[in-house]
Amino acid sequence: NAGVMQNPRHLVRRRGQEARLRCSPMKGHSHVYWYRQLPEEGLKFMVYLQKENIIDESGMPKERFSAEFPKEGPSILRIQQVVRGDSAAYFCASSRESAQYFGPGTRLTVT
Amino acid sequence: DQQVKQNSPSLSVQEGRISILNCDYTNSMFDYFLWYKKYPAEGPTFLISISSIKDKNEDGRFTVFLNKSAKHLSLHIVPSQPGDSAVYFCAASASGGTSYGKLTFGQGTILTVHP
Repeated sequence: NAGVMQNPRHLVRRRGQEARLRCSPMKGHSHVYWYRQLPEEGLKFMVYLQKENIIDESGMPKERFSAEFPKEGPSILRIQQVVRGDSAAYFCASSRESAQYFGPGTRLTVT
Repeated sequence: DQQVKQNSPSLSVQEGRISILNCDYTNSMFDYFLWYKKYPAEGPTFLISISSIKDKNEDGRFTVFLNKSAKHLSLHIVPSQPGDSAVYFCAASASGGTSYGKLTFGQGTILTVHP
């Protein structure tokens, strides 16, 4: 049973470009979460999704950030017009009824 | 407002001895607690969890203790092994005793186990 998959593992974008981060949950998991870890900090919750629904987006910045989990395909975290402060590790997690299991993360670097 | 705090940034332990990692929380709505281990450039790995209806949960070398009145939990690793060296994160959620919903993480404690 494959774990949570994230791609790309590393992403470099120039200021003003768009970043798309993908997450495929573990088989049988219908809950997906996105977290961000800034340098020297702990993980911060961003958004919680189920298929075709955003359940809790209280951690998402109000502008430029969006997330989706379509009926088919991976969950996508989209960051428009990236700025240097968006540079961080972005982790996806999934769950069924037990704990949340994390993917390896995408390291976004904005130059 | 840091609702989950790990006040020790680092801990150093001799191989074979006990490692005790501590975590405090302030939000009385939290009812599900987890510990994760994280290596550099990898995602957090789930270790063990506990619901607020319990005060202890054990899994192999790992035991988590919960003291609700003190809003404190701890992770015991016995015996400690060099491979346990990593960053340990405490996390909490207010989800009716399940893992659904957002996790609030502590800042992490760097554990180093010396041979």
